Amino acid sequence: DAGVIQSPRHEVTEMGQEVTLRCKPISGHDYLFWYRQTMMRGLELLIYFNNNVPIDDSGMPEDRFSAKMPNASFSTLKIQPSEPRDSAVYFCASSFGQGRRYNEQFFGPGTRLTVL
Amino acid sequence: GESVGLHLPTLSVQEGDNSIINCAYSNSASDYFIWYKQESGKGPQFIIDIRSNMDKRQGQRVTVLLNKTVKHLSLQIAATQPGDSAVYFCAENVYGGSQGNLIFGKGTKLSVKP
Repeated sequence: DAGVIQSPRHEVTEMGQEVTLRCKPISGHDYLFWYRQTMMRGLELLIYFNNNVPIDDSGMPEDRFSAKMPNASFSTLKIQPSEPRDSAVYFCASSFGQGRRYNEQFFGPGTRLTVL
Repeated sequence: GESVGLHLPTLSVQEGDNSIINCAYSNSASDYFIWYKQESGKGPQFIIDIRSNMDKRQGQRVTVLLNKTVKHLSLQIAATQPGDSAVYFCAENVYGGSQGNLIFGKGTKLSVKP
């Protein structure tokens, strides 16, 4: 398996522009997580899905952020409009739940976003 | 592994020595813990996990110790190698919380001197 795939790996954009980050989870995994990592705040959970359904989006900073999972093999995180304070590394992770109590999360390589 | 704002706690060790990385957690309801390793420019990678019904678990060159009394977790790396240089995160899962949800600590940077 290729692992969790994220694209793009790097994104540089200007303030006010729309940014879309993409994730392909590991095949067969039923949980998908979006995280944001900064030096100041560390690794923060933004939202996670179970069987394509959003379960907890309490970590989404504000209405400018939205995430979708139209099918089991694809998810997007969108920021519109983007602001300089959104600059961070965004990670996608997936795991296999299926009733298991303890689920190891597998992380993608991340997307480094810079908003000028 | 406690956060110190802009700067990560750093542990510097000599190649071949043993390393001990510590993590304090705050929720006594946490029942599952994971250590992740993050190398520069990469995503976190699973190292080892432990459930709250255990106090020690060993892997290849790594050992995790759990002290529920003081809510403390540690990762021991034997014979530390340059390839072990990375940021190490502990993560916890709260019993009764959302399945699959992990809370991550701020991380500790391990630097291995050749």
